[in-house]
Amino acid sequence: ETGVTQSPTHLIKTRGQQVTLRCSSQSGHNTVSWYQQALGQGPQFIFQYYREEENGRGNFPPRFSGLQFPNYSSELNVNALELDDSALYLCASSLYPRVSRTDTQYFGPGTRLTVL
Amino acid sequence: AQRVTQPEKLLSVFKGAPVELKCNYSYSGSPELFWYVQYSRQRLQLLLRHISRESIKGFTADLNKGETSFHLKKPFAQEEDSAMYYCVLKDAGNMLTFGGGTRLMVKP
Repeated sequence: ETGVTQSPTHLIKTRGQQVTLRCSSQSGHNTVSWYQQALGQGPQFIFQYYREEENGRGNFPPRFSGLQFPNYSSELNVNALELDDSALYLCASSLYPRVSRTDTQYFGPGTRLTVL
Repeated sequence: AQRVTQPEKLLSVFKGAPVELKCNYSYSGSPELFWYVQYSRQRLQLLLRHISRESIKGFTADLNKGETSFHLKKPFAQEEDSAMYYCVLKDAGNMLTFGGGTRLMVKP
């Protein structure tokens, strides 16, 4: 069973640019969620994808968008980057609907994005 | 909207001392609560969940719906418990709301 992987590990962009972050779900999982973790804070929910469609969204502007592919891998796209977008971006995969009450989300190592 | 509050940013204790990391939540539905932990240079990982009523690495947490709390406890802290701890609420849509986190430092 493979865990959640993310790429790249680190990324530096300048304000106004666009960025794409990638996530590969844990084997057998069909749902992926993305989180933004600013320095010194807990992760904040961006959105979730299930069956290639957005299945819930947090308080983030439309310039944050995503994709989920048939193999359940996922992308997070951020347009018109701002300095405040500098953060650790985490993806987490899970199985939905749950088959067991012990199902939960498994996190990747994150992508550190720095916007200059 | 749901909310999770961890009032302590940093908790420092000596090895062998009891530990309690506080967590309070607000949620209109029936909550499902977790503690996630992040050790240095490792990814965020599940520590325990309230529905399992389990003890993991000596840690326990009891859901108190009357006080809307889910405090994490361990009777005797170990140095390897030093980490960042997050209290997390899962809603009916499988979405997680994190608290701000508490850094636990266990001194020798």
